[in-house]
Amino acid sequence: QFVLTQSPSASASLGDSVKLTCTLSSGHSTYAIAWHQQHPQKGPRYLMKVNSDGSHNRGDGIPDRFSASSSGAERYLTISSLQSEDEADYYCQTWGTGILKVFGGGTKLTVL
Amino acid sequence: EVQLVESGGGLVQPGGSLRLSCAASGFSFSAYAMKWVRQAPGKGLEWISYISSSSTTIYHADSVKGRFTISRDNLKNSLYLQMNSLRVEDTAVYYCARNVRGLIDYWGQGTLVTVSS
Repeated sequence: QFVLTQSPSASASLGDSVKLTCTLSSGHSTYAIAWHQQHPQKGPRYLMKVNSDGSHNRGDGIPDRFSASSSGAERYLTISSLQSEDEADYYCQTWGTGILKVFGGGTKLTVL
Repeated sequence: EVQLVESGGGLVQPGGSLRLSCAASGFSFSAYAMKWVRQAPGKGLEWISYISSSSTTIYHADSVKGRFTISRDNLKNSLYLQMNSLRVEDTAVYYCARNVRGLIDYWGQGTLVTVSS
């Protein structure tokens, strides 16, 4: 079964960096994913796509404080110079045949 | 500027029907696959329907299969979701989303569907 796994929560301090992880299930380590941000009571916003080789491309207007990388079956979203407005839910998403859950469960990021 | 604007949400009784629309602008709608994604109150994102650019390929999640139908009109730059036999658990905000090779790169603002007696 192809699923995406994310930690339910993460926290970091204002001005610091944080790295969020999305893990693809066994046997699917070559899949690309997309990262999306969602503020409370708002619709999701596309951040970027990240490939298995770590290459990534940001969506329109996404600041370069947001970057992505990969290692094996893990896909990462790194946010540097954390700002209060980065406090949000972050979802990873993929697509392909046999995928049980297209979205990860989401990570709630708290900026301290 | 890419824009996706959903409409058609509202309050409906269990067993009822509703048709959602998504008006697309700012890009060549006919060149892109599209999805419907929903989010129940306090829950995560759930993909429910996919349609290819020319409507030749359609998928529905098991949770809505046989009850929901996705369609599109490329001449009207519009995406639709016909929802029948609605259940209380279908209560959610419904988003339309543009796809590039399966990955969403633009979202609409969402429309709320409430199923309640």
